[in-house]
Amino acid sequence: DTAVSQTPKYLVTQMGNDKSIKCEQNLGHDTMYWYKQDSKKFLKIMFSYNNKELIINETVPNRFSPKSPDKAHLNLHINSLELGDSAVYFCASSLGRGQNHEQYFGPGTRLTVT
Amino acid sequence: AQSVTQLGSHVSVSEGALVLLRCNYSSSVPPYLFWYVQYPNQGLQLLLKYTSAATLVKGINGFEAEFKKSETSFHLTKPSAHMSDAAEYFCAVSFDSGGYNKLIFGAGTRLAVHP
Repeated sequence: DTAVSQTPKYLVTQMGNDKSIKCEQNLGHDTMYWYKQDSKKFLKIMFSYNNKELIINETVPNRFSPKSPDKAHLNLHINSLELGDSAVYFCASSLGRGQNHEQYFGPGTRLTVT
Repeated sequence: AQSVTQLGSHVSVSEGALVLLRCNYSSSVPPYLFWYVQYPNQGLQLLLKYTSAATLVKGINGFEAEFKKSETSFHLTKPSAHMSDAAEYFCAVSFDSGGYNKLIFGAGTRLAVHP
């Protein structure tokens, strides 16, 4: 009964490849997020979707493309992977748009680009 | 603009000692503040949140935090550390981005607990 799940947990690939990370939440939330955690543990938001609509798009290279087929799923596709994309990617979800709504995080996907 | 500063990237305490993790925020409007914990190779788990209902907020695992507007602080405390508290702790402020919630995180504090 995992609340926010991500697949895969680990992803090792070579530069130039294209890869996807999937995220699903069963909390009934309507807002989902992607965060990137770098090697120094710094967390930064990348994207947010509300009911399948993109609402937050930080300054992320356009090689990163999120897709939300429904409000319970938010996937992240990365084209032409670079060494600097190596990080842990976290999916999160929250109930609605309010600032007081906490975000629930998935277990993370550790991406290693060689 | 909202921002969060966590003083001390590493904190080490003895088991049974007081835990104090510092967080200062910068916000032009009343903030919503959160503390999250990240255990090794895991996602973030919410410890507690401040949403203006009460300045002293109690969370899970015996943690609490006090909101002090005059000091723009939201420090996390626990009276007696346990070995299982060893983890990375993140303070975050909620930022309104076009009517939607965006979390701005501090750099994190790694808590080590030794016997």
